[in-house]
Amino acid sequence: DGGITQSPKYLFRKEGQNVTLSCEQNLNHDAMYWYRQDPGQGLRLIYYSQIVNDFQKGDIAEGYSVSREKKESFPLTVTSAQKNPTAFYLCASSIDYMQGYSNQPQHFGDGTRLSIL
Amino acid sequence: DQQVKQNSPSLSVQEGRISILNCDYTNSMFDYFLWYKKYPAEGPTFLISISSIKDKNEDGRFTVFLNKSAKHLSLHIVPSQPGDSAVYFCAASVSSFSGGYNKLIFGAGTRLAVHP
Repeated sequence: DGGITQSPKYLFRKEGQNVTLSCEQNLNHDAMYWYRQDPGQGLRLIYYSQIVNDFQKGDIAEGYSVSREKKESFPLTVTSAQKNPTAFYLCASSIDYMQGYSNQPQHFGDGTRLSIL
Repeated sequence: DQQVKQNSPSLSVQEGRISILNCDYTNSMFDYFLWYKKYPAEGPTFLISISSIKDKNEDGRFTVFLNKSAKHLSLHIVPSQPGDSAVYFCAASVSSFSGGYNKLIFGAGTRLAVHP
C-alpha cells in the first residue's frame, strides 16, 4: 500500500531543543514538500525538494532545516531558532516534471502535531 | 499578500442539496488549481483539479469551475452528504512547464457542514 508516513503523530519540544520530524514515502515520487498549518490558516510551504540532494526554501523557512539524502525520505528539523514552533506539520510528495509529468497533485501524510512544553 | 483567498470560513448545507465553495486568486500566472478535503488531525486528501486550459472538470458528485477572467474558481458538490463535512482547501500553482516549480499556494479553507 503506497503512501506517505509521518512520525511521530504528536511531538513535544522543550525550550532550546531541536526536534526532527520524519517523512517517508514509497510512491516513487521525486518531489517532496513540508508545510505548516496554524489554526484558521491555510498551509504554508516551509521547504521543498525536487530531487535527491537538492532542496529549496519555501515561504517560511526561517528556523527550519531539511535534508534529502534518499528519494524516500525528507526529514524536517525544527531548530531552537524557530520562535513559534507549535503547529501542525504536513509532508507531501508528487510526481515531478522531471519524470515527464506536469500538473500532478501533491499527496499528503497525516501530519505531526508539535507542541512546546 | 494572500494570493489565494477563500472568503467564507464556513458553510452549512442540508443533505441532498448543492454545496458551492468559492475561491479567488490574484496571480495571473497560476495555471493549475486543486481542491483538497481535510478531516481533523489528518492530512488533506486530493479531490479534484483543473488546468487553466479548461473551464470545467467533473468527477462524480464533484465539479470544479474556473473563470480565468474573474480569477475565480468554485467547487460544486451535488448532492451533498453528511460524510462531505470537512474543511475544503483551494490551492493554486504555476506548473513546471510554465516556469514554476509546482509549489502550491493554499487558501485558508472553508469548513463545510452537511446536516440531515
